Amino acid sequence: NAGVTQTPKFQVLKTGQSMTLQCAQDMNHNSMYWYRQDPGMGLRLIYYSASEGTTDKGEVPNGYNVSRLNKREFSLRLESAAPSQTSVYFCAARLYSNQPQHFGDGTRLSIL
Amino acid sequence: GENVEQHPSTLSVQEGDSAVIKCTYSDSASNYFPWYKQELGKRPQLIIDIRSNVGEKKDQRIAVTLNKTAKHFSLHITETQPEDSAVYFCAAMGANQAGTALIFGKGTTLSVSS
Repeated sequence: NAGVTQTPKFQVLKTGQSMTLQCAQDMNHNSMYWYRQDPGMGLRLIYYSASEGTTDKGEVPNGYNVSRLNKREFSLRLESAAPSQTSVYFCAARLYSNQPQHFGDGTRLSIL
Repeated sequence: GENVEQHPSTLSVQEGDSAVIKCTYSDSASNYFPWYKQELGKRPQLIIDIRSNVGEKKDQRIAVTLNKTAKHFSLHITETQPEDSAVYFCAAMGANQAGTALIFGKGTTLSVSS
């Protein structure tokens, strides 16, 4: 049972390059999320998708776009990467409200 | 929107002692409060959660308490062991028109020395 799978696991970009982070879940969960984790800042919500076909901004959406391609997949795109977007990105999925969120292993992204 | 404050940011205890981490939340409509443990380089993993219709929940050495009136909840770890050393995050389920999402505290780094 893979759960939530994120690709790639590591990536180094130059300032101004674009990149799409992929996330797929095999748990048939309705809601999916993207968080970024920076030292001392906890997990901050970037975007989320409550259900297939819907997306909404979280706490720190600037510089990112998302696509909920289908129920399984939720991608995060950086159109013009900036050093401030160097972070660890986690995708998560949840079945229903008041249920736990299950996280992927993360993507470690460095922007030079 | 929801805002979650977590204290302390670091906590050092001796093996066998108890550890308590406290969180406050701002949205009185929030009704789900999980706690996650994250080991270095790993994903956050759920260790315990509580819903707003109960005041306390226990699972072996771990317990969580919730005070809805004061809008705070706490994690209690008894008989701490070195393997409890990790970063712990509290979260609250925020809600808006579009759906619901977990909003996290900034984390507590727990160090258990033997």
